[in-house]
Amino acid sequence: SQKIEQNSEALNIQEGKTATLTCNYTNYSPAYLQWYRQDPGRGPVFLLLIRENEKEKRKERLKVTFDTTLKQSLFHITASQPADSATYLCAPFPSGGYNKLIFGAGTRLAVHP
Amino acid sequence: DVKVTQSSRYLVKRTGEKVFLECVQDMDHENMFWYRQDPGLGLRLIYFSYDVKMKEKGDIPEGYSVSREKKERFSLILESASTNQTSMYLCASSPSQGQGLAEAFFGQGTRLTVV
Repeated sequence: SQKIEQNSEALNIQEGKTATLTCNYTNYSPAYLQWYRQDPGRGPVFLLLIRENEKEKRKERLKVTFDTTLKQSLFHITASQPADSATYLCAPFPSGGYNKLIFGAGTRLAVHP
Repeated sequence: DVKVTQSSRYLVKRTGEKVFLECVQDMDHENMFWYRQDPGLGLRLIYFSYDVKMKEKGDIPEGYSVSREKKERFSLILESASTNQTSMYLCASSPSQGQGLAEAFFGQGTRLTVV
């Protein structure tokens, strides 16, 4: 069955460093992959989308890569700030059914001053 | 701004009650989704709909049903609430784009407690 894996352990980094989060998927071939941010008690908010024919996508301090051979996406936040502390979710799409959207469990990022 | 509105922020219901969670979106999106989120388990898809009156089971549909009579509204129904359905419920909508979806927009969530 399809599986999406994100590091379940929290990632703790120092302010100013680059945070790197991993999303691995198995048993399917998504056409694209989305990344979302979720703050406690709130719904996720869309950040970036990367397509299978794009190796890398950037938006301000965010960078996403998509390696269809490794079945992996990496999400980078450069010059991280305490305000970047949140849970980050990936959603490779499609995930089996027509327009079925499923998410990884997310990785919690904590950026310390 | 796209708005996805869930009818309640907090809800407390008794075991065995029939519970309705309502979700309304104002951007004419074709696709709507219901998820539940529990600590350590992430977002799990309950049901989704890609058109009016169309519904598809997600990964955990047992104990739930849905209704989509109008494009803007997607209702989640707990036929007989049980304590293991205590959770945060999140609704989302997304426009179709080409062969897939564009970004999804989420509501603020409903924290349901079944006692």
